[in-house]
Formats: sequence, C-alpha cells, structure tokens
Amino acid sequence: GNSVTQMEGPVTLSEEAFLTINCTYTATGYPSLFWYVQYPGEGLQLLLKATKADDKGSNKGFEATYRKETTSFHLEKGSVQVSDSAVYFCALMGSSGGFKTIFGAGTRLFVKA
Amino acid sequence: DAGVIQSPRHEVTEMGQEVTLRCKPISGHDYLFWYRQTMMRGLELLIYFNNNVPIDDSGMPEDRFSAKMPNASFSTLKIQPSEPRDSAVYFCASSLGGGNSDTQYFGPGTRLTVL
Repeated sequence: GNSVTQMEGPVTLSEEAFLTINCTYTATGYPSLFWYVQYPGEGLQLLLKATKADDKGSNKGFEATYRKETTSFHLEKGSVQVSDSAVYFCALMGSSGGFKTIFGAGTRLFVKA
Repeated sequence: DAGVIQSPRHEVTEMGQEVTLRCKPISGHDYLFWYRQTMMRGLELLIYFNNNVPIDDSGMPEDRFSAKMPNASFSTLKIQPSEPRDSAVYFCASSLGGGNSDTQYFGPGTRLTVL
C-alpha cells in the first residue's frame, strides 16, 4: 500500500541556516505529494504541493521537487526564521488509495535566534 | 469563510462517559475527514465522508467510535464509552472535491482528555 517516510526529528537550526527535511514515498500510480505544516496549538495547513513528476511546489521560501526516479519530495528552505518553528508533514494522495491522504510521522523543527 | 469549525476545543471527561465532538466543514466542500493525533501513533485517519455518505471507516478503532454526517454542514464523532487511551487531539478536515491533488483544510482540533 501507499506509505510516506520522513526523517525523524527534532531538527534544531540557527536562524538563517539552510533547511532540508527528507521525504520518500511508496505508491502505485501517480500520486500527488504535499507538505503540510502544523504550528503549536493549531491544525495542519497546506504549505505546498506537486501533482506530477518534476513539478516544483513552492511557498513562503520553501520548495520541494517531485522526483519520481528517487520517489522523493524533500523540503528545503534557504534561510530559516524563528517563525518557521513547527512540525512539518509530508503526505501523498493517490487514486489507488481512494481520496485518502497518507501522512508521514512529522518532523519537528526548532529554529534558534 | 470562517474555515473548518470544531467544538469543543478542549474536553475533559471521566472514563465510561460519552463524548461527542462536532465539526462544521467549509461551505461547498464535498469531503469531510476525521483524524486522531497522538504522540505515539501520529496522525491517523479515522473515517471520511463524501456528500454526507461514509466512504471509508477502516480507521475507526473499535465499535465504541461512531461518526455521522446528517447534512452537508455538520458532522459528529462520538465515543461511547470513553477510555483513557482515547485521549488525543481530534481533527476534522474538509476538501472541495475528489481530485487527487485536493488540499485538505483542517480545523483547530479538539483536545480530549479521558481520566
């Protein structure tokens, strides 16, 4: 079945450091891929998404590229801010799984001033 | 739009009591999802509805859990009787349609504590 694996956290960075959070997936067909972010005390919200191979999703300085050859969708940001501290979830939705979204375990990011 | 609305935001109850969580999806959204989030198990899909009809309830942990969607603007998740292991944050989410790139919009969650 479909699954998502993302790097364990927590990840602790200093402000303005480069961020990478790794995400790989297993799926049949051609799933859509997502990154969601959860700030303390809130629900998840969409950060970015990509719907086909080689697509790049981007938002708020974050980027991720859909790599079908490596089944990956790594999240990157060139310069993190304290306000980026949150939990980040990689997720996929594919037609073979109905319209269920499969979420990874989440990676907690701490950014120090 | 006000977004997905959940109530209550916090619920503390004693073991054996009935608990009802409520959700109002975004107007016009055809899909509604109930999730449970815990430190140990992460984010789990419990059940989802399309046009008020339950489509997949394979994530509902046991018969103590039930969910209904009597109309397009309201859904409930009920636990009867509740147990301490049900303590978690419960999220409701909605999405516009059935495309496989659909974004889900999450509510703020209900933090349930069962003593």
